[in-house]
Amino acid sequence: DTAVSQTPKYLVTQMGNDKSIKCEQNLGHDTMYWYKQDSKKFLKIMFSYNNKELIINETVPNRFSPKSPDKAHLNLHINSLELGDSAVYFCASSYEPGTIYFGEGSWLTVV
Amino acid sequence: GDSVTQMEGPVTLSEEAFLTINCTYTATGYPSLFWYVQYPGEGLQLLLKATKADDKGSNKGFEATYRKETTSFHLEKGSVQVSDSAVYFCALSDGGTSYGKLTFGQGTILTVHP
Repeated sequence: DTAVSQTPKYLVTQMGNDKSIKCEQNLGHDTMYWYKQDSKKFLKIMFSYNNKELIINETVPNRFSPKSPDKAHLNLHINSLELGDSAVYFCASSYEPGTIYFGEGSWLTVV
Repeated sequence: GDSVTQMEGPVTLSEEAFLTINCTYTATGYPSLFWYVQYPGEGLQLLLKATKADDKGSNKGFEATYRKETTSFHLEKGSVQVSDSAVYFCALSDGGTSYGKLTFGQGTILTVHP
């Protein structure tokens, strides 16, 4: 009965490829996020959606495009992958500011 | 802009030792403060939070007090266990127009040995 689920959990791909990570939450929350965690464990927000509307876009390259077909889903598509995109990507959702429920993460490795 | 600074890790302790992980913040307005924990291979989980000055958040034996005068939210536990080994993140949310986004500290790796 996973609250925030994201797939795939592991993804290894070559430079230049395009890939997507899917995320779904069954908590009924209005707000969803994508966070990126680098190899030093540093976490930074990438995007936030509220009821399918983009509300935060934190200076992320245009190669990253989020899509929210409904308020329970927030997918992340990445074009022309680069080595520096290797990281763990966390989807999350919340119902009140700061109290955020995270998925288990998607480990992306670009080779 | 908002920022959070945590003590450098990694921190290594023996079981039953006292734990303190320091956290200070810079924010405009009146942020809410949080500690999140990340166990190996997992996502982050909310450990505790405090929404106003002098509030104390507590959970699973961990405590942190929101100190506005020192802009701090230090995490403490009186007796750590091996199962507490994880990465601990201090974070703030500046409710205002930030739509609940969290600004995280750099994380502190805690390892507890038997």
